[in-house]
Amino acid sequence: RKEVEQDPGPFNVPEGATVAFNCTYSNSASQSFFWYRQDCRKEPKLLMSVYSSGNEDGRFTAQLNRASQYISLLIRDSKLSDSATYLCVLGEGYKLSFGAGTTVTVRA
Amino acid sequence: GAVVSQHPSRVICKSGTSVKIECRSLDFQATTMFWYRQFPKQSLMLMATSNEGSKATYEQGVEKDKFLINHASLTLSTLTVTSAHPEDSSFYICSAHDPAQSNTEAFFGQGTRLTVV
Repeated sequence: RKEVEQDPGPFNVPEGATVAFNCTYSNSASQSFFWYRQDCRKEPKLLMSVYSSGNEDGRFTAQLNRASQYISLLIRDSKLSDSATYLCVLGEGYKLSFGAGTTVTVRA
Repeated sequence: GAVVSQHPSRVICKSGTSVKIECRSLDFQATTMFWYRQFPKQSLMLMATSNEGSKATYEQGVEKDKFLINHASLTLSTLTVTSAHPEDSSFYICSAHDPAQSNTEAFFGQGTRLTVV
């Protein structure tokens, strides 16, 4: 079983739509949780950290469920620029484990 | 945020040659840097942890004699792919954390796309 599992998608959505997807993880010792965004052939960039209480950053909302060991990301009012691969990332200290990513394509 | 610079961004080399990739932290000192490899449509896989002034720690299945890591200063780590073969063609990327920041955000280099022909 992979340490971090993500639905690869792709999720094809029209502009303005809401899209949501999850990530499940197996390492209960994970201490920190992140969503990174990776554009084609580029390095990952931090989108947001994820906290147990849930957190929101503009149009993005992230949730963490430690009991069920999953993390979610919701994107509201999708923009064309949101098209990317979203990586679920777990941290244990500085050591990170990556999911393979969920691809989102927002169409005009 | 902190800046990590990686060079070169892409390289094409002949089978059997060696390629060196540099990873620099530009505005902070990093005692630890990480090297990842990413194949198409797959996740980033940690190859090794680069420790300043000491030997790198390699993940299981990664050949330390093939992927030489040197972390001679607090701002520079290098990865040398020795005797490269076509199956080594991949996206190599480094990361570092700024110890002055309380969070554990990783800052990534721009990545190096290696093609071995």
